[in-house]
Amino acid sequence: AQTVTQSQPEMSVQEAETVTLSCTYDTSESDYYLFWYKQPPSRQMILVIRQEAYKQQNATENRFSVNFQKAAKSFSLKISDSQLGDAAMYFCAYNGRSSGDKLTFGTGTRLAVRP
Amino acid sequence: ETGVTQTPRHLVMGMTNKKSLKCEQHLGHNAMYWYKQSAKKPLELMFVYNFKEQTENNSVPSRFSPECPNSSHLFLHLHTLQPEDSALYLCASSSPSKASAYQETQYFGPGTRLLVL
Repeated sequence: AQTVTQSQPEMSVQEAETVTLSCTYDTSESDYYLFWYKQPPSRQMILVIRQEAYKQQNATENRFSVNFQKAAKSFSLKISDSQLGDAAMYFCAYNGRSSGDKLTFGTGTRLAVRP
Repeated sequence: ETGVTQTPRHLVMGMTNKKSLKCEQHLGHNAMYWYKQSAKKPLELMFVYNFKEQTENNSVPSRFSPECPNSSHLFLHLHTLQPEDSALYLCASSSPSKASAYQETQYFGPGTRLLVL
C-alpha cells in the first residue's frame, strides 16, 4: 500500500522569506501523480501544485515550486516570498495508476507566517 | 454558487439523532467523494460515487449512509453516531476517466464540522 509521510507537523516562516515543506512517499508504482493541497482556516482544501512522476522538470506555480526527487521518493514544496495568506495546513497527496481516483494523503504541516 | 458547496458548515448532534450532510458541485464533474478529517490523522476516504454509482466503500460503519441522487448532489445520512465520529467531513468532486482517473485533480468543499455529544 502507498503511504505519504509529512515529518514536519508545524513550520514557521518570516513574511517575504522562503520555506520548504517536506514530503516523502512509498510506492512500487512508476506511474503516479503527486499533489500539494492547502487548507486555510476557512477549511476549503485548495490545490496548490501537482507533479506527474514521468516529468523530470519540477512543477512551478508562481511563488510555489516543488523539488521532485523520484529515486528518493521525495516531493517537497518551496514557498518563496511568503505572504500572510500562505498561513494554512499543507497536505501532500499521492495518486497512482492502480489507485484510480483514490488519493492518499499525509498528515499535514501547519505553516505559520510571522509578520 | 461556484465550485463545491457543503451544508451545514457546523453541526452538533446527540448520539440518538438523525441528520444529513449535503454536498453540491457546480463543476460538471461525474465523481463525488466523502472524506473524514480527524485531528492529526490523514484524510480518510469514506465513499466514492461515479455517475451516481457507488464505486468505493472504505469499510465505513453502517451508521454512515451515503446517497447520490445525481452527479451534482451527494448526501451523507448520519444516525446513532458515536463521539469518535466527531470530525470535519469533506466532500470533493472530479472527472476521472477510466484510463486516467489518477491524473485528475479533486476539488473540495469547505467541509462540515461535526460534533457528536
